[in-house]
Amino acid sequence: EVQLVESGGGLVQPGASLKLSCVASGFTFSDYWMSWVRQTPGKTMEWIGDIKYDGSYTNYAPSLKNRFTISRDNAKSTLYLQMSNVRSEDTATYYCTRRLYGGLSPFDYWGQGVMVTVSS
Amino acid sequence: DIKMTQSPSSLSASLGERVTISCRASENINNYLSWYQKKEDGSVKLLIYHTSRLQPGAPSRFSGSGSGKDYSLTISGLESEDIATYYCQQGYTPYTFGAGTKLELK
Repeated sequence: EVQLVESGGGLVQPGASLKLSCVASGFTFSDYWMSWVRQTPGKTMEWIGDIKYDGSYTNYAPSLKNRFTISRDNAKSTLYLQMSNVRSEDTATYYCTRRLYGGLSPFDYWGQGVMVTVSS
Repeated sequence: DIKMTQSPSSLSASLGERVTISCRASENINNYLSWYQKKEDGSVKLLIYHTSRLQPGAPSRFSGSGSGKDYSLTISGLESEDIATYYCQQGYTPYTFGAGTKLELK
């Protein structure tokens, strides 16, 4: 059974940094592109970015690429999202997702999500 | 960015009823359209991809259709477990989602 379990969320002050993790199981992690997607309190779904199966390529939403960094550790089957200089508009539930067959494919599995609240 | 306009934003239907949700892209997305189901417990599932391909494990009462800019998701006979919010998503980077359709029981 495919499982994606996010962690690292919580309350963070504006301007701070935060790193989310996602531990994957039930599939060969190193075979799949992975992505992060977030849902704002207003229920808007927003794609954050992707990382290729070997970590050699990343692609980000233009509005986020200067502050967010996606990485992975295939030996640990773990995906990361480094968030820097966070803003109130980054308050959201963050989902770790797997891509079905590559970078342009749908998100076929989603974690349960982890909440991030940016507030002073 | 490609804008996805989903309608209706909310929908009340009875058990057994046929339900259709629409999604319009701001430009031709060449059938790169997926549908997701998000339940109140926060779980999200892929139902349909590439317009009409049923994701393994998704019930066969779900179907998708469309082309060009216009797409739809149909539930052939609503069941209680289908109560959720549904999102469309287009497959060109930057990937964008519709605003969601909240499906409730009448």
